[in-house]
Amino acid sequence: SQKIEQNSEALNIQEGKTATLTCNYTNYSPAYLQWYRQDPGRGPVFLLLIRENEKEKRKERLKVTFDTTLKQSLFHITASQPADSATYLCAVHNNAGNMLTFGGGTRLMVKP
Amino acid sequence: GAVVSQHPSRVICKSGTSVKIECRSLDFQATTMFWYRQFPKQSLMLMATSNEGSKATYEQGVEKDKFLINHASLTLSTLTVTSAHPEDSSFYICSALPGTGNQPQHFGDGTRLSIL
Repeated sequence: SQKIEQNSEALNIQEGKTATLTCNYTNYSPAYLQWYRQDPGRGPVFLLLIRENEKEKRKERLKVTFDTTLKQSLFHITASQPADSATYLCAVHNNAGNMLTFGGGTRLMVKP
Repeated sequence: GAVVSQHPSRVICKSGTSVKIECRSLDFQATTMFWYRQFPKQSLMLMATSNEGSKATYEQGVEKDKFLINHASLTLSTLTVTSAHPEDSSFYICSALPGTGNQPQHFGDGTRLSIL
């Protein structure tokens, strides 16, 4: 079965810096990979989806890369703000594309 | 955007009580809904996949008689925790999938269940 690994330690960065979060998967390369944001006591909110044939995708201050050779996705937040502080979850689809497997998430803390 | 409403947001009840949680897609039809459980500082663990008009598919280790799922319409799925015990205390989250496959899931805001 697919295992999704994210750094369980919190990432602390200074406001204005770029935050980079890592997601590694261990088994088959998924056709799609997604990133979600989760705030305490709330459900996850979808941020970005990247397909296996896309190396990079951007949305405002967010950038996601997908390296099928390394079996890794990187999630970047540029010009980070304290409001970006949250837990970020990586998720991949199963082969049928109808179920997601989530990583453990990485907590990001942006300090003013 | 696609909105999923989950109710109630918090439940505190005595051991042995059955608790029903509702998940509604407000502005789209969801053939498939998912129920997750999340423990503190851990990720979401899929409990079951709920398909409208058919029986839910449960993940390994999840008791179907304990966690009853009913997906009665394209906009409503319910999870009933039967005869809840303290070990059932957790954060339960639903999500809905508009259309079929390879799309983002839209999540409710979760239900914090505390069994005394």
